[in-house]
Parts: sequence; structure tokens; C-alpha cells
Amino acid sequence: DVKVTQSSRYLVKRTGEKVFLECVQDMDHENMFWYRQDPGLGLRLIYFSYDVKMKEKGDIPEGYSVSREKKERFSLILESASTNQTSMYLCASSLVFLSVNGYTFGSGTRLTVV
Amino acid sequence: DQQVKQNSPSLSVQEGRISILNCDYTNSMFDYFLWYKKYPAEGPTFLISISSIKDKNEDGRFTVFLNKSAKHLSLHIVPSQPGDSAVYFCAARGGAQKLVFGQGTRLTINP
Repeated sequence: DVKVTQSSRYLVKRTGEKVFLECVQDMDHENMFWYRQDPGLGLRLIYFSYDVKMKEKGDIPEGYSVSREKKERFSLILESASTNQTSMYLCASSLVFLSVNGYTFGSGTRLTVV
Repeated sequence: DQQVKQNSPSLSVQEGRISILNCDYTNSMFDYFLWYKKYPAEGPTFLISISSIKDKNEDGRFTVFLNKSAKHLSLHIVPSQPGDSAVYFCAARGGAQKLVFGQGTRLTINP
């Protein structure tokens, strides 16, 4: 069964900390994505990557950066965590050209910044 | 600029009845539409999709209808079951590689 694995289910971090969220997929997918989910706002795209070492800004990249050194791993970095970054973070992957099934999502990381 | 909108944040339906979830979009270039289902503390899972060249796609209890002239799609679940209680997201393919998601609708099935 294909999988997208996010390293942490729950995280609590302090304001100003540098936070790393890790995502690994075992499907040899080219594309990887980071979304955040907030009530009433749905899923909003933060960053995505079409290939190793390539990254593209999504709709809400401010305060975030990403790293993709290997095809299977896509990391989201919060440079200096703030309380408004408290959210559910979802990683997803897909083939180069989206199949009719779209993305495969990980289980999510619930991040709380205090 | 919300290109995909789900205007009902929540919906409550009696078990055994039909659930109808709605979604509107603005971009006529979208070529594929998808529905995802999400339980708390889990990632969204794919449910059903439809190509823009079709107006209906059915998979068991789930049917998606597309009205291109109205830029509207709907997901019908019949009969509704308690396990269908979840948040449902509609999404549209806006290019070869990206999906645009709606805000989600929380469906509650009451026994």
C-alpha cells in the first residue's frame, strides 16, 4: 500500500523556535506538496516541489521555507514559529501528471505554537 | 480569490437518507474535479472524481454530478451511514499538477 508518512502527529513548539516538519513518500512520486488546514479556510497550499532541489511558492508561503534534497523527502521549515502558524499541516504527493485520484496525503501534523 | 467554494460549512442528515454536498467554482479551465473525505486527525482520502467532459460519475453509494454551465458540482451519498460523518473537500485540477481545494463541509449523520 502506497504511503506518505509525516514524522510527527502532534507537536507543541514555542514562539520563535525553528520548526521542521518532515514528510516521506515511498511511491517514487515526482511532486510533493505542503498544505495547511484551518477551519473555514479549507486546504491552502504553502509550497510544492516538482523535482529534487526544486520548489515553488504556493498561496501562503510567508513565514515558511522548504527543502527537497531527495526525491522521497520534502521538509517544511517554520523559520521562527508564531502563534498564527498553529494549524494542521498536511503533506501530499502525486505523479508528474495528476491521475484521476489526485494526491496521496499523509496523516497530518497538528502543530501548536505557544 | 477563492476559485473553489463550498458554501455550507456543515450539514446534518438522518441515517439512511440522502446527503447532498455542493461545490461551486469560477475557473472554466478546470478539467477534473475530485472529492476527498477527511476524518479528524487523519489526512484526506480520495473518494470520487469526474472529468469535465462528463456530467455524472457513480461509485457505489457515491455519485458526483457536474453542471458545467452553472459551474457547480455536487456529491450525493445514498443511503447515508454513520461512517460517512467526516469533512468533505471538493477539489479541481487547475493545471497538470495542482489541485485547488474548497473550504470543506462537515457532514454529520444522525442515527
